[in-house]
Parts: sequence; C-alpha cells; structure tokens
Amino acid sequence: GESVGLHLPTLSVQEGDNSIINCAYSNSASDYFIWYKQESGKGPQFIIDIRSNMDKRQGQRVTVLLNKTVKHLSLQIAATQPGDSAVYFCAENNQAGTALIFGKGTTLSVSS
Amino acid sequence: EPEVTQTPSHQVTQMGQEVILRCVPISNHLYFYWYRQILGQKVEFLVSFYNNEISEKSEIFDDQFSVERPDGSNFTLKIRSTKLEDSAMYFCASSGSLEGPQHFGDGTRLSIL
Repeated sequence: GESVGLHLPTLSVQEGDNSIINCAYSNSASDYFIWYKQESGKGPQFIIDIRSNMDKRQGQRVTVLLNKTVKHLSLQIAATQPGDSAVYFCAENNQAGTALIFGKGTTLSVSS
Repeated sequence: EPEVTQTPSHQVTQMGQEVILRCVPISNHLYFYWYRQILGQKVEFLVSFYNNEISEKSEIFDDQFSVERPDGSNFTLKIRSTKLEDSAMYFCASSGSLEGPQHFGDGTRLSIL
C-alpha cells in the first residue's frame, strides 16, 4: 500500500550546523513529494517540493534530494537556526494526485 | 502572503452533538482538502473537494462526515454526531492545482467531551 515514513523521530543539532532529515517512501509510482514544517500549535507550513523527474531542488537554505532507486527523500537545512526547531514531515501525492500521504515526522531541536 | 484561515481555533462539544468547522481557502485556489491530526501523530487525509464535489475520501470519512462549499469563499466540514475519537486537530488545505503544493491553515482543535 501507499505509505511514507521517516527514519528518525528526533534530531538534535547545534546552531550553525547543517541538518539532514530523512524519509523513506514505499510507493515507487509516487511522482510528487513535499516537505512541511510544523511548529507547535500551527498547521503544516510548506517548505519545498520536488517532482520525480528531478533528483535535487534547492530553496533558501534548504535542499531536497530524491533517490528513486532506493525510494529515499531527504531535506537538508544549511546553517540551522533556533527558529528551525519544529516537526518536519515528508509527504507524497497518492496515485490520483488528490491527497497527500504524510510520514510520522521528525522533531528537530536546535540548541544555541 | 495569502493564507488559509480556519475558525474556530478551538471547539469543545458534547459527544453526539453536531459540529461544523469552517475554512476560508486561498482565494484563487480550486482544490480543497480536510486533514486531521490526533495529538502526537501524523497528519491523516480525510477528503478532497473540487468543482463542488468530493474527489476522494479516506476510510476515516464515513457517513458522519460531510463537506460543503456554501458560497464562493467558505469550505466547511460537518461531523453529524461526534464521538470521543473525533477529538483531534482538523486542518483545512487548498491548492491552485493538483500539481502544486497544498497550503494549510492553523487548524481547529476539536475536543469531544
């Protein structure tokens, strides 16, 4: 079935370090992936997305890498800041493109 | 920046009562969604809505649930007879296309007593 998951439930880094958050997905037919950041008491906030015809996409301080061979997605955050502390979810479109399937989330804690 | 807004932020309801959660999607978006998140768990899809009809629904979205777009700006989720296990955060989302990202509101916390 369709499912998306994350490797680690928590990640602790020092301010200024680079962070890497990983996600494994199971549906090889998925063609769209997205990363969200969720702060306490807020809804998921869009960070960056990538289609399956790409391997890498960069945004401001963030990079998403897609490895379709091993069905792995990662989010890299450069020069992590305390404001980056949140829960990060990866998600994929279902096959019809009408719903997002979320993984369980990684809690990123940044200490200064 | 345009955003999805949801009201109320917190709704407390007695079990068995009806509840309506309200959302105003981003104004030029055409696709609308409801998700829920039980405390500490992942976000779960409930329903998607396009062109005034349901596009897809999950098995969570049973006969107790319904959605409506009563006018050009609001999108509502109704739970007809609430159960204790309906307690969760309910998020509305919208997107401009199926190929674009979904943008979420800050949710309504629903507490069933």
